[in-house]
Amino acid sequence: QQQVKQSPQSLIVQKGGISIINCAYENTAFDYFPWYQQFPGKGPALLIAIRPDVSEKKEGRFTISFNKSAKQFSLHIMDSQPGDSATYFCAASKQAGTALIFGKGTTLSVSS
Amino acid sequence: NAGVMQNPRHLVRRRGQEARLRCSPMKGHSHVYWYRQLPEEGLKFMVYLQKENIIDESGMPKERFSAEFPKEGPSILRIQQVVRGDSAAYFCASSPVTSFFYNEQFFGPGTRLTVL
Repeated sequence: QQQVKQSPQSLIVQKGGISIINCAYENTAFDYFPWYQQFPGKGPALLIAIRPDVSEKKEGRFTISFNKSAKQFSLHIMDSQPGDSATYFCAASKQAGTALIFGKGTTLSVSS
Repeated sequence: NAGVMQNPRHLVRRRGQEARLRCSPMKGHSHVYWYRQLPEEGLKFMVYLQKENIIDESGMPKERFSAEFPKEGPSILRIQQVVRGDSAAYFCASSPVTSFFYNEQFFGPGTRLTVL
């Protein structure tokens, strides 16, 4: 049973455009939702995270939008740059000290 | 460099051999998680350890896999009698657990295991 579903699987965006990646979760006990960025041959790097008590969180060009009733959250990358080309994973978990459940990832390619 | 350290970065084993993967958490972190990443897949949780204790091993295969985090030294993920299906990237993450609500986990660079 896949508890976190991520889409699209791959995404091509022009430089300066907006990249949008979506995730949906099933377990209503989840209350921590991070996004990770992974470059080839590297480990995932924590990008931004949100808890369900807020509907949006912004850090620089990266924004998480959260819809608790729909059990969905998304990552928006504004003014996408070629250096943003990477694989992005959403994840979900319960409180600290529990496993992160990951989506299958989205490969983003930003064309110059 | 205060990041999570893993070694070796690449490991090649023949079927039936043992693989030992090591992880040193970030300074000040006493919580370690191990995840496995298969090609074209997300990361799958294997085990969560604190110093000298296994807290959650619900993602660990019942046979051939074991993990430890001794009082001194790195955490070790051990795979006995490896099979080709064990070929994957194994990532370790550490956490400070300073907040009950924020489950921040910081990942190492991973060990790429290839079983011939």
